Amino acid sequence: GNSVTQMEGPVTLSEEAFLTINCTYTATGYPSLFWYVQYPGEGLQLLLKATKADDKGSNKGFEATYRKETTSFHLEKGSVQVSDSAVYFCALTRLSGGYNKLIFGAGTRLAVHP
Amino acid sequence: DTAVSQTPKYLVTQMGNDKSIKCEQNLGHDTMYWYKQDSKKFLKIMFSYNNKELIINETVPNRFSPKSPDKAHLNLHINSLELGDSAVYFCASSQDTGPDTQYFGPGTRLTVL
Repeated sequence: GNSVTQMEGPVTLSEEAFLTINCTYTATGYPSLFWYVQYPGEGLQLLLKATKADDKGSNKGFEATYRKETTSFHLEKGSVQVSDSAVYFCALTRLSGGYNKLIFGAGTRLAVHP
Repeated sequence: DTAVSQTPKYLVTQMGNDKSIKCEQNLGHDTMYWYKQDSKKFLKIMFSYNNKELIINETVPNRFSPKSPDKAHLNLHINSLELGDSAVYFCASSQDTGPDTQYFGPGTRLTVL
């Protein structure tokens, strides 16, 4: 079936370090892919998305490229800040009964220290 | 202005009680959702409504009953609460049923004692 697998956290980095959070997916057809971020005590917010192969989503210094050949959508940032500490969710949409459903990965907690 | 709001933010109750969580969105969206996030942060869809009609109903116990009085509101009523219902419940909305961005509320933390 359709699913999303993310690297397990927590990921702990120093400020200004390079970040990669791996995400791979299994899906039929051509899903749209998303990264959502959840800051402590808050709901999820869309970080970036890509709707077709080779698309690159970017926002707030984060980037992810839709790689159909490797079924991946890894999240990267060149220099993380303490304020990036949050839980990051990779997700895809799949059709269910004619409607799109978001399928989430398990989430990866990122902790950035000064 | 809050785009998707939920009440209450925290809910602590005893097993066997009945409780409701309310959700409102002021984005003019047609589609609304309820998600459950467990203690390990795993997030799973429960229900979705489009223009007040139920379109997605995952394998959820029938103790859970969503109600959409209008497009801007989607409430969740839970009967006979159980310990395993303890979780954070998120409401979300999107423009329509396509692969659009979903906008999430701040969540309701339900604790069943």
